[in-house]
Amino acid sequence: SQKIEQNSEALNIQEGKTATLTCNYTNYSPAYLQWYRQDPGRGPVFLLLIRENEKEKRKERLKVTFDTTLKQSLFHITASQPADSATYLCALISGNTGKLIFGQGTTLQVKP
Amino acid sequence: GAGVSQSPSNKVTEKGKDVELRCDPISGHTALYWYRQSLGQGLEFLIYFQGNSAPDKSGLPSDRFSAERTGGSVSTLTIQRTQQEDSAVYLCASSSQHGAREKLFFGSGTQLSVL
Repeated sequence: SQKIEQNSEALNIQEGKTATLTCNYTNYSPAYLQWYRQDPGRGPVFLLLIRENEKEKRKERLKVTFDTTLKQSLFHITASQPADSATYLCALISGNTGKLIFGQGTTLQVKP
Repeated sequence: GAGVSQSPSNKVTEKGKDVELRCDPISGHTALYWYRQSLGQGLEFLIYFQGNSAPDKSGLPSDRFSAERTGGSVSTLTIQRTQQEDSAVYLCASSSQHGAREKLFFGSGTQLSVL
């Protein structure tokens, strides 16, 4: 069956360190993968999109990698700040109709 | 509008009652999506619209759930004979068009509580 898996355990790191979040998928062959941020009581906000032929994508302190052989995407936040504390969701397109399916998200807590 | 607007932001209802949730997408966005998020869980896809038609309704949990979109704009998600397990946050999103490269813009959701 198709699955998108993110680490359900919260990730706690110290301010200034690099946070690395993992998204693994099975039985998908996505051409694109997206990452969103969700704060409590709010809807998700789009962060980055990466294509299957892109190994890496950067935006400011954010970096996303996409390994279609490992079926994995890594999401990095460098020089993390307490304001980066949130839940991060990966998403990819499923099926012929192209609905966007989300992982369950990983909560990041950055401590001052 | 400036963003995706959902109403009401909170809805408390009694088991067995019908509820209607409204979504006003970003002006000009042709694709509209409904998701459900239970406490501490990820987003569960319900349905999406391209214009006024719904190519994929596969996520609707039961025939008590229905959705429509009129004029290529506002969408309503209706839940009939609500059950306690329907309690969740219902999120609406829109995108300029439907496709794998399109980013979704989400509203803040409707928190539904069924007593």
